[in-house]
Amino acid sequence: SQELEQSPQSLIVQEGKNLTINCTSSKTLYGLYWYKQKYGEGLIFLMMLQKGGEEKSHEKITAKLDEKKQQSSLHITASQPSHAGIYLCGADTGNAGKSTFGDGTTLTVKP
Amino acid sequence: GAVVSQHPSRVICKSGTSVKIECRSLDFQATTMFWYRQFPKQSLMLMATSNEGSKATYEQGVEKDKFLINHASLTLSTLTVTSAHPEDSSFYICSAPGPAGTEAFFGQGTRLTVV
Repeated sequence: SQELEQSPQSLIVQEGKNLTINCTSSKTLYGLYWYKQKYGEGLIFLMMLQKGGEEKSHEKITAKLDEKKQQSSLHITASQPSHAGIYLCGADTGNAGKSTFGDGTTLTVKP
Repeated sequence: GAVVSQHPSRVICKSGTSVKIECRSLDFQATTMFWYRQFPKQSLMLMATSNEGSKATYEQGVEKDKFLINHASLTLSTLTVTSAHPEDSSFYICSAPGPAGTEAFFGQGTRLTVV
């Protein structure tokens, strides 16, 4: 089965600072998703990456997938308290719609 | 994009009772849906795959008699937690592959508390 390792497990940053969260797969990824969540609430879809070397941005969040399609990073520029939450990377297992998830990164942004 | 609706969002029940959670694809059909469980400060773990018109496929360690899954139609899957116990308290979330058959769309999740 495909395993996803996320790092760091938790992150505390000062407002305005940049940060990066990483997600590493043991196998080549068919598709890699980034979600934001607050525990007990639904997942907020951020971005999906499918092609090696792909990079997508939305507002202050940029996600990249490496050429080998085994590593992805999520970068937040000039963090704000609204960015706080749990960030999850999820991988398409090749069975349409069936996902496996990393353990999540809990982000705290101090005002 | 495609929408998956999950209901209820929160439920509190007494030990020994059963709770049903619904997952609906609102504007598309889904022959397959997936049920996940999430404990506090942990990631989502796949519980089972719900198949329309046939039995659900359960992941290792998940009790099929306790977590009953019924995929009654192409737009509805239900998860029933039977004889609930406090240790069943968790966040349950469903997903379905979208019309393109690739991207997964998630419900809003259900916070179950068993007292």
